[in-house]
Amino acid sequence: GAVVSQHPSRVICKSGTSVKIECRSLDFQATTMFWYRQFPKQSLMLMATSNEGSKATYEQGVEKDKFLINHASLTLSTLTVTSAHPEDSSFYICSAVNREFSYNEQFFGPGTRLTVL
Amino acid sequence: GQNIDQPTEMTATEGAIVQINCTYQTSGFNGLFWYQQHAGEAPTFLSYNVLDGLEEKGRFSSFLSRSKGYSYLLLKELQMKDSASYLCAAMDSNYQLIWGAGTKLIIKP
Repeated sequence: GAVVSQHPSRVICKSGTSVKIECRSLDFQATTMFWYRQFPKQSLMLMATSNEGSKATYEQGVEKDKFLINHASLTLSTLTVTSAHPEDSSFYICSAVNREFSYNEQFFGPGTRLTVL
Repeated sequence: GQNIDQPTEMTATEGAIVQINCTYQTSGFNGLFWYQQHAGEAPTFLSYNVLDGLEEKGRFSSFLSRSKGYSYLLLKELQMKDSASYLCAAMDSNYQLIWGAGTKLIIKP
């Protein structure tokens, strides 16, 4: 159990376009999902925490108008990178928390590689 | 402030044992996680410690000392497939993970 999927796994887009990334918990209800960004040879950087049915909480320095997060159901959260630019090229990873476990382990999706030309 | 420290890179020989250390400072503490991450892939869960002591799981073991703010991941009988980055992450009082930069482990034949 505790499987998280992400779609797409890889996307290449032109500068100025918007890209939507989906994160789904396949076999459990995720009350909270996290969105991370990882640049090459660096660790994960938390972008925002998304709770089902409420607005996401963004980390300092992350533009909420540029990175739109929606968590409309207990199994789906989306991240939309609006007006993407080459500096937004990165590996985007989501994770979901299964509240059935006592220690709030985060289950990670496989990641989405975004390349902005 | 909150901080996680772990070595940037380590090298070990196939079949040997390696210990990856991690020290942490967090606002509150709800456990210490170790994840493995191969290049271009998402992290995969290895271990979780919230009480002091050693947790053994096959070839991998993880140790925690809460009083020292210290943990280590011990890998035995190293295999080439163990070449990866190993991420240490501490969970703070808000149940948020504070991540280390990761330790790149290089295994040589």
